[in-house]
Amino acid sequence: DQQVKQNSPSLSVQEGRISILNCDYTNSMFDYFLWYKKYPAEGPTFLISISSIKDKNEDGRFTVFLNKSAKHLSLHIVPSQPGDSAVYFCAASGNEKLTFGTGTRLTIIP
Amino acid sequence: GAGVSQSPSNKVTEKGKDVELRCDPISGHTALYWYRQSLGQGLEFLIYFQGNSAPDKSGLPSDRFSAERTGGSVSTLTIQRTQQEDSAVYLCASTAFPGEAQYFGPGTRLTVL
Repeated sequence: DQQVKQNSPSLSVQEGRISILNCDYTNSMFDYFLWYKKYPAEGPTFLISISSIKDKNEDGRFTVFLNKSAKHLSLHIVPSQPGDSAVYFCAASGNEKLTFGTGTRLTIIP
Repeated sequence: GAGVSQSPSNKVTEKGKDVELRCDPISGHTALYWYRQSLGQGLEFLIYFQGNSAPDKSGLPSDRFSAERTGGSVSTLTIQRTQQEDSAVYLCASTAFPGEAQYFGPGTRLTVL
């Protein structure tokens, strides 16, 4: 039973527009959420996180939104740039471990 | 300081052979995690070391998999009698604050023929 789900395996966005990546979770005990970015042949790189006591965290072009009642989080990237093309994983923290979604491949179209 | 390093970067082995994968975490990070990513899949948790505590082995898929962490630093993941379904990228991560952001190595791509 997958506790963290990314239902869109892929997403294509025009350069300069907003990219919105979505993630749903089922375990209400998760208290911290993270987004990672992964390029081919590299390990995932930490991007941004949010505590369960907040509903928004912003860092430059990246904003993460958390809707606890819906058990949903999203990552907004604006404006999208070609270098943002990668696989994005959301992760949820509980019991000192991270549970990862299956990833969304984002392609930015120049 | 350096990030997490893993070796080898690629390993090709024959079915039935044993393999050892190595991870050097970031200096000072007390928590170390192993994951694997099979083709088209997410990151699957394997095992977690925290300080001197007994490791959390709840993610190991079979008793052919084992890991150790010597001196609270370097870790080795051993897969005995490898099977073709063990083919995956094996990733190691470390953190100073368990439950918060983990920092990943580049992974070891294991191919079992």
